[in-house]
Amino acid sequence: GNSVTQMEGPVTLSEEAFLTINCTYTATGYPSLFWYVQYPGEGLQLLLKATKADDKGSNKGFEATYRKETTSFHLEKGSVQVSDSAVYFCALIQGAQKLVFGQGTRLTINP
Amino acid sequence: NAGVTQTPKFQVLKTGQSMTLQCAQDMNHEYMSWYRQDPGMGLRLIHYSVGAGITDQGEVPNGYNVSRSTTEDFPLRLLSAAPSQTSVYFCASSPVGAGNQPQHFGDGTRLSIL
Repeated sequence: GNSVTQMEGPVTLSEEAFLTINCTYTATGYPSLFWYVQYPGEGLQLLLKATKADDKGSNKGFEATYRKETTSFHLEKGSVQVSDSAVYFCALIQGAQKLVFGQGTRLTINP
Repeated sequence: NAGVTQTPKFQVLKTGQSMTLQCAQDMNHEYMSWYRQDPGMGLRLIHYSVGAGITDQGEVPNGYNVSRSTTEDFPLRLLSAAPSQTSVYFCASSPVGAGNQPQHFGDGTRLSIL
């Protein structure tokens, strides 16, 4: 079946550092890929998405590129801020609107 | 615009008690779903519905019931609560039939079973 694997956390960085959170997936065919973010005490919010190979999703300075050859969708940001502290989830959809999530990566940014 | 509203936000139950977690959306979305979030396991799908009168099981349905009598509401019932059901529960909705449409999540219900 479909699955998503994220790098294990927690991840702690200093403000203005470069961020990469790795995400790889297993799926047949061509799923759509997502990054969701969960701020403390809140539900999940869509951060960015990509629906086909080589697409790049971007939002709020975050980027991720759909790489079919490596089945990856790594999340990157060039300069993180304290306000980026949250839990980040990689996810995929393939038919029937069933989201499959990775285990989540907790990110803490220190000033 | 309320989006997806979940009630209650917090609940403590004793083993064997029953309760209903409420979920309502005002976006006229056909698809609604329930997830549970446990540490280190991401979100796992419990039940979902593609429209009023239609429900189906997800990855972890045991111990939970759902019904969908209206487009707006999708309650989740715990029939006899067990400590293993201690978790944070999220309801989500989205338009049906478009595989790349994002799901909208509620703020969650934190449930503790003693």
